[in-house]
Amino acid sequence: AQSVTQPDIHITVSEGASLELRCNYSYGATPYLFWYVQSPGQGLQLLLKYFSGDTLVQGIKGFEAEFKRSQSSFNLRKPSVHWSDAAEYFCAAGSGTYKYIFGTGTRLKVLA
Amino acid sequence: GAGVSQTPSNKVTEKGKYVELRCDPISGHTALYWYRQSLGQGPEFLIYFQGTGAADDSGLPNDRFFAVRPEGSVSTLKIQRTERGDSAVYLCASSFDRVGQGYTFGSGTRLTVV
Repeated sequence: AQSVTQPDIHITVSEGASLELRCNYSYGATPYLFWYVQSPGQGLQLLLKYFSGDTLVQGIKGFEAEFKRSQSSFNLRKPSVHWSDAAEYFCAAGSGTYKYIFGTGTRLKVLA
Repeated sequence: GAGVSQTPSNKVTEKGKYVELRCDPISGHTALYWYRQSLGQGPEFLIYFQGTGAADDSGLPNDRFFAVRPEGSVSTLKIQRTERGDSAVYLCASSFDRVGQGYTFGSGTRLTVV
């Protein structure tokens, strides 16, 4: 069955530290991959997406993600976290159609 | 409009009542999606519209749930005989086409059934 797994429910980092959020997918073929961010009381905002080509994808707010086919992973990274990055992050996958499967999310806490 | 608008932002209803949740997509977006996000979970697909028609309603949990998009713009998600298990955030999203460019989500409607 198709699935998206985010192994870390909560992550805490200090402001200025680097960040990596993990995402693994299980699909029959390489899906389209996305990262969304959700702040409290807000909808989901698209950070970046991967369809094909360069496996390192740049997004908004200084985020990037790397697609690794051999590991079925699409991890999100940021070199230096800001307090405003505290939110919940969702990885999602779709097989070229409209229906996305979302992971259960990783809640990021940033320490001052 | 500039973004996807969902109303109301919060809805509290009694068990057994009927509710309607509205979604106003970005102007010109032909595709519209409804997702449901339960506490501690990621969004789960409910239904997808391409234009006025429901192209895929396979995510609707049962026949108490129904959605319409009569003029290809605004959509309404309707829930009959609400149950406490229906409590969740209902998210609407829209996009220009169905090929997965990444949706634009609204802020959601938080439904609480008491």
